Amino acid sequence: GENVEQHPSTLSVQEGDSAVIKCTYSDSASNYFPWYKQELGKGPQLIIDIRSNVGEKKDQRIAVTLNKTAKHFSLHITETQPEDSAVYFCAASKGNNAGNMLTFGGGTRLMVKP
Amino acid sequence: DAMVIQNPRYQVTQFGKPVTLSCSQTLNHNVMYWYQQKSSQAPKLLFHYYDKDFNNEADTPDNFQSRRPNTSFCFLDIRSPGLGDAAMYLCATSPGGGRDTQYFGPGTRLTVL
Repeated sequence: GENVEQHPSTLSVQEGDSAVIKCTYSDSASNYFPWYKQELGKGPQLIIDIRSNVGEKKDQRIAVTLNKTAKHFSLHITETQPEDSAVYFCAASKGNNAGNMLTFGGGTRLMVKP
Repeated sequence: DAMVIQNPRYQVTQFGKPVTLSCSQTLNHNVMYWYQQKSSQAPKLLFHYYDKDFNNEADTPDNFQSRRPNTSFCFLDIRSPGLGDAAMYLCATSPGGGRDTQYFGPGTRLTVL
């Protein structure tokens, strides 16, 4: 089955700096890669996703890049703010008509210091 | 706003006492999922429904069951909770039919005494 590895497990940055979180996946058939932000005591919130037919997607301060050949994808947050502090999960799936099974990475705890 | 709602947000039960967690959605999505999330770990899929079709993950304990009486509601039943079942339980939905983005509810934190 699919295996997703995520690094680093913790990341501390100064407010205003950029943060990069990286994930690798094992199943070349995976074609959908969402990123979730989870604040303490809350459910994961989808912040951005990318499909295998594109290499990069951007939404304001957040961007995701995908390298299908190397089977890795990354989350980039620019101009970090204290409210970006949370646990971030990457995930991968093949997607099918019977429902979409996500395989999650282990998570990255991001701390943005004011 | 269309959303995924979970009740209660916090649930305390006693060892061995059955408990039911509920999830409802106003998104009219075909697929509903239940995840278990323990501290500092990624969510772990327990099972999902595609419409009325139930799909159990191979390693989900028999102690966990689910019901989906209609499109909007899905329940997680834990028949005999053990201390190891204390966790955050997350419900998620996706449209289905190849549209695969999952949307999560806020979760129910279960404490087992």
